Amino acid sequence: GAVVSQHPSRVICKSGTSVKIECRSLDFQATTMFWYRQFPKQSLMLMATSNEGSKATYEQGVEKDKFLINHASLTLSTLTVTSAHPEDSSFYICSASSGVSTLAFFGQGTRLTVV
Amino acid sequence: AQKVTQAQTEISVVEKEDVTLDCVYETRDTTYYLFWYKQPPSGELVFLIRRNSFDEQNEISGRYSWNFQKSTSSFNFTITASQVVDSAVYFCALLNRDDKIIFGKGTRLHILP
Repeated sequence: GAVVSQHPSRVICKSGTSVKIECRSLDFQATTMFWYRQFPKQSLMLMATSNEGSKATYEQGVEKDKFLINHASLTLSTLTVTSAHPEDSSFYICSASSGVSTLAFFGQGTRLTVV
Repeated sequence: AQKVTQAQTEISVVEKEDVTLDCVYETRDTTYYLFWYKQPPSGELVFLIRRNSFDEQNEISGRYSWNFQKSTSSFNFTITASQVVDSAVYFCALLNRDDKIIFGKGTRLHILP
């Protein structure tokens, strides 16, 4: 199946700093990418949907100024957690869709810890 | 409303037993897709199956089988002769017309040796 690579897999950062997470589709063009957040022992909650070349669409309750999403190319989307706080510590996972198939492929996830 | 309900939050069975994970969904769409994903302790999501709303045939893949019943809006997942490596969190999910995947809360499955 298609491969989606997410980097880094783990990151620890200091409170107040910003962290960038990358999501790459390695063998297909991802017209749409989705970013999810998962708290411990909880389900995955959709944060935002990004289409290549346009602004991301954020779900209700997600601060767009805090979670900056850029989808500059058909193979790369980035999520930047700005001015991170301990409550932002979570597992972030992206998925990518080519728009042709209904299959969305998931990255390996990024475990963010803010200290 | 689009919703996926996995009523079983946690299940423990002894190895070699069969176990069924329940999934009930709600959608107004006539065309939709249902998925099951496995999330092992490492965190990544492993795709198990996709089923579209027009295909109600049950599916078997090795020790895994799925029972899709539109009449009851259910898409249950059975593991036969469970193994310790099956221990994970399993998510049922629904793909809606906006191409957003809506996940259930997941069922944490413990297979005891």
